[in-house]
Amino acid sequence: GAVVSQHPSRVICKSGTSVKIECRSLDFQATTMFWYRQFPKKSLMLMATSNEGSKATYEQGVEKDKFLINHASLTLSTLTVTSAHPEDSSFYICSASVQGSWGNQPQHFGDGTRLSIL
Amino acid sequence: AQSVTQPDIHITVSEGASLELRCNYSYGATPYLFWYVQSPGQGLQLLLKYFSGDTLVQGIKGFEAEFKRSQSSFNLRKPSVHWSDAAEYFCAVGAKAGTALIFGKGTTLSVSS
Repeated sequence: GAVVSQHPSRVICKSGTSVKIECRSLDFQATTMFWYRQFPKKSLMLMATSNEGSKATYEQGVEKDKFLINHASLTLSTLTVTSAHPEDSSFYICSASVQGSWGNQPQHFGDGTRLSIL
Repeated sequence: AQSVTQPDIHITVSEGASLELRCNYSYGATPYLFWYVQSPGQGLQLLLKYFSGDTLVQGIKGFEAEFKRSQSSFNLRKPSVHWSDAAEYFCAVGAKAGTALIFGKGTTLSVSS
């Protein structure tokens, strides 16, 4: 089945550091990728939607200058948390889909990245 | 606007007992409905989905869900729970293929022996 690889799975870094998270679709071309954030004991909150070759669409309340999203190819999207602070600590999950198609899986989720800012 | 409500934050079920997790949605048209399971620190695994047709859908791991339009519900059921079913369960709704999903707040399932 389709696989989405998310890397790294866990990162711990100092406040002020920028952190890049990668989301790769391994065996299909993902025209659309989504980035979600999950707080402890909370639901997944959509942060942004990115389509290959175009600017990401951010949800209300998400700082686009803080969370930089790049979707340069059909198999790779990156989320960069710039100048991270402790309040950015969270579990970030990406998902990928083919625009206009769900097939057997509506979205293929990565395994998530646990970001801890000290 | 779409929304999903999972009324139960935490449920404890004895191993071998039956399970029902509730999900109510709000959406103007026929929604696409999903149930996902998440183990601690892990990503999401799709249990089952409803797009159209038979309102009783079968999923993996012995789960099933029934779509009831009149009640705007999509409850998840399992006849006999196993200890390995302890996890977080999310109901989600989608507007159309390829779009983002809206998730409920989740229900934590604990299984007692």
